[in-house]
Amino acid sequence: DAGITQSPRHKVTETGTPVTLRCHQTENHRYMYWYRQDPGHGLRLIHYSYGVKDTDKGEVSDGYSVSRSKTEDFLLTLESATSSQTSVYFCAISDQGAYEQYFGPGTRLTVT
Amino acid sequence: GQQVMQIPQYQHVQEGEDFTTYCNSSTTLSNIQWYKQRPGGHPVFLIQLVKSGEVKKQKRLTFQFGEAKKNSSLHITATQTTDVGTYFCAGRVRDYKLSFGAGTTVTVRA
Repeated sequence: DAGITQSPRHKVTETGTPVTLRCHQTENHRYMYWYRQDPGHGLRLIHYSYGVKDTDKGEVSDGYSVSRSKTEDFLLTLESATSSQTSVYFCAISDQGAYEQYFGPGTRLTVT
Repeated sequence: GQQVMQIPQYQHVQEGEDFTTYCNSSTTLSNIQWYKQRPGGHPVFLIQLVKSGEVKKQKRLTFQFGEAKKNSSLHITATQTTDVGTYFCAGRVRDYKLSFGAGTTVTVRA
């Protein structure tokens, strides 16, 4: 498996609180992605990064922000968590963009 | 909404039988990729197809990209219990983004 870690792996939080998820890679890949996975929807892109400080929105970006200050780290922030953001969040990396992607182990987030 | 549609959503297969899962897009894709996710795990890259009409094989798995580059299929022969999981197709729609299908979840009856 590619060197990708996500933290935390599990989190329970209350509605209205901010939450930050971290993705860390040791592969020096240029592209990093945040997806959420919900039953019946597959993987939906939240935000992605094509370089340090270069980010763009995906199809479900409302309520989420990202930052990438170093090649190896990509942070996903839920500004004010809502129950609809209860999901499994996966980080992925790629050295060629929309080609072969390697996924992290995932973070299971529950918003109560 | 999702640009890549995948059918069926569920596939229940008797061990030893064959099955096929299909992926369709309303727009032309520059590539199609397939991933497998075991229960409780993360998606793992299986293969990428780029050329119109391309066919690739991995042991009992056969992947095909349509002539118009709008559809793809994954055919598994002689299904085994190790094939259990969810299979996703994903197509590059533009820039650096992939659009994933909703997946086909495969269960196997021994």
